[in-house]
Amino acid sequence: QSVLTQPPSASGTPGQRVTISCSGSSSNIGSNIVNWYQQLPGTAPKLLIYSNNQRPSGVPDRFSGSKSGTSASLAISGLQSEDEADYYCAAWDDSLNGHVVFGGGTKLTVL
Amino acid sequence: QLQLQESGPGLVKPSETLSLTCTVSGGSISSSSYYWGWIRQPPGKGLEWIGSIYYRGSTYYSPSLKSRVTISVDTSKNQFSLKLSSVTAADTAVYYCARFLSIAAADYWGQGTLVTVSS
Repeated sequence: QSVLTQPPSASGTPGQRVTISCSGSSSNIGSNIVNWYQQLPGTAPKLLIYSNNQRPSGVPDRFSGSKSGTSASLAISGLQSEDEADYYCAAWDDSLNGHVVFGGGTKLTVL
Repeated sequence: QLQLQESGPGLVKPSETLSLTCTVSGGSISSSSYYWGWIRQPPGKGLEWIGSIYYRGSTYYSPSLKSRVTISVDTSKNQFSLKLSSVTAADTAVYYCARFLSIAAADYWGQGTLVTVSS
């Protein structure tokens, strides 16, 4: 199982706002920044959010990230059909001399 | 526009060493403040970080793979490489190379290459 915990699935209808959670611990999310990735079917992951809440150039402002304590969330507002993808959170973990940890991924379905 | 491209054998025998190279174009691998690394994804499963190398040469490896992994950089060729020894079927995955703007934020990715471990 993954160090960061995400729900395996989420869903919403077009136009809705959905959130995806990512739960960790004091050694990862609690003390380091969180990043989010979107992976469309058959493609490489794409950086969606970095440094907890920053969007790379080109990422719509419908996507937003937040962090509180040892948990983080990705919010998608104005849901669109092209948002159907797998979403992963990632963070540095200070344990075991330090390493990157990922969440297990959340499959978002647009109904 | 920065581009990354993985290359290497698509089939590796059990107990042998998996070797992949990532060629970077459109930018210098010696650029300051970036990490370069590898992430893999077994078929139908999630992402797993393998390790990264800082532009100054410091390396960071997954604790579960550390004893078998080596990541190195060849600045003269603008490439970095992955070696994973003693592979088993569990190492079958799509292997991605990536540039990291911070240790866990990969902003440029290669297209990925499927490596199958089988005799």
